[in-house]
Amino acid sequence: DAGVIQSPRHEVTEMGQEVTLRCKPISGHNSLFWYRQTMMRGLELLIYFNNNVPIDDSGMPEDRFSAKMPNASFSTLKIQPSEPRDSAVYFCASSWTIIDTQYFGPGTRLTVL
Amino acid sequence: RKEVEQDPGPFNVPEGATVAFNCTYSNSASQSFFWYRQDCRKEPKLLMSVYSSGNEDGRFTAQLNRASQYISLLIRDSKLSDSATYLCVVNGAGTASKLTFGTGTRLQVTL
Repeated sequence: DAGVIQSPRHEVTEMGQEVTLRCKPISGHNSLFWYRQTMMRGLELLIYFNNNVPIDDSGMPEDRFSAKMPNASFSTLKIQPSEPRDSAVYFCASSWTIIDTQYFGPGTRLTVL
Repeated sequence: RKEVEQDPGPFNVPEGATVAFNCTYSNSASQSFFWYRQDCRKEPKLLMSVYSSGNEDGRFTAQLNRASQYISLLIRDSKLSDSATYLCVVNGAGTASKLTFGTGTRLQVTL
């Protein structure tokens, strides 16, 4: 069985550029989560969806961040414009319901120069 | 007070030792509890769920103390391969509750 798929695995970009991260959740899972992890702040929940609907985006740092889930098998997290402080590992996770076990993708390591 | 609090460690223990981690949570209505493991530069992975009566999986034992609002993880006969960061995970409360991850406790098992 395929797990959560994320792309790209690594992204290096320059400040001011647009960055789009992609996620394919496990088939049949109804909830999808976007996290950011840094050494300083640990794992932070950015936004999560249930049945493709955004439920809570209070963790999104600012308006430069946006996320969409156009269908049950695809989600994107976009940063526009990117800044060096956005450098982190971004994880996508999915689960059957909001409170069930979450399965994480391998993450996207983002470096903004 | 943070929703989920853990001692960041690191805990440095020799191979074969027994080590225990605690994690406290703030929401007394929380119902789901988990321990995740995260290896360096990898994604978090479920280690085990934590049940009210406590549960064991091989060398790992998880306990829940609702009165004091903490969960624990005990690792017996530590192996080098147990070296990782252990994340405590607790759900919130209400109809829109979600899992909240602690910042993790780092374990280093040495020869």
